[in-house]
Amino acid sequence: GQQVMQIPQYQHVQEGEDFTTYCNSSTTLSNIQWYKQRPGGHPVFLIQLVKSGEVKKQKRLTFQFGEAKKNSSLHITATQTTDVGTYFCAGHSGSARQLTFGSGTQLTVLP
Amino acid sequence: DVKVTQSSRYLVKRTGEKVFLECVQDMDHENMFWYRQDPGLGLRLIYFSYDVKMKEKGDIPEGYSVSREKKERFSLILESASTNQTSMYLCASTMDRTSQPQHFGDGTRLSIL
Repeated sequence: GQQVMQIPQYQHVQEGEDFTTYCNSSTTLSNIQWYKQRPGGHPVFLIQLVKSGEVKKQKRLTFQFGEAKKNSSLHITATQTTDVGTYFCAGHSGSARQLTFGSGTQLTVLP
Repeated sequence: DVKVTQSSRYLVKRTGEKVFLECVQDMDHENMFWYRQDPGLGLRLIYFSYDVKMKEKGDIPEGYSVSREKKERFSLILESASTNQTSMYLCASTMDRTSQPQHFGDGTRLSIL
């Protein structure tokens, strides 16, 4: 079945440093979504990418979808303590109703 | 705003018990999902439902069953709880189209002793 790999599993950064998490799928995706889960909270939808090579920005967050629609990345510029949490990518393959989630990257921001 | 409510935030049960986890959403969503979340493994899909009385197996259905008698309610059932089912369980819902984001409940942290 479809697998979505996400790296790194953990990342500690100093406040103000940049952060990137990468997502790779074993199959071509029809779309990819990104979620953020704060400590003790539930995953919250951030954004969806649909088109090959698409790049979207939300303030300090930049999301990319690869040309082959099999990989994606999330880059945070100048991290803040409010960025702490676990970031998940999740993809739909074909017409499947279910998402396949990556294992997540847990971000710690040191003040 | 979409509200997905899970019946319990924390639950402690014993091995062999039959356990029910309830989830209710208030936005008339067609699709509902049950995941379990374990450290390093992300969210793994147990079962999902795209209509009343309809269900489909996810990636890890063994040891679980589900029930969807009403559109707004999706129940996860552990037929005979085992210690390896100790986990965080998350319910989610979404509208019909696959491009829609999933809305999650707060989760139930289930411990099986």
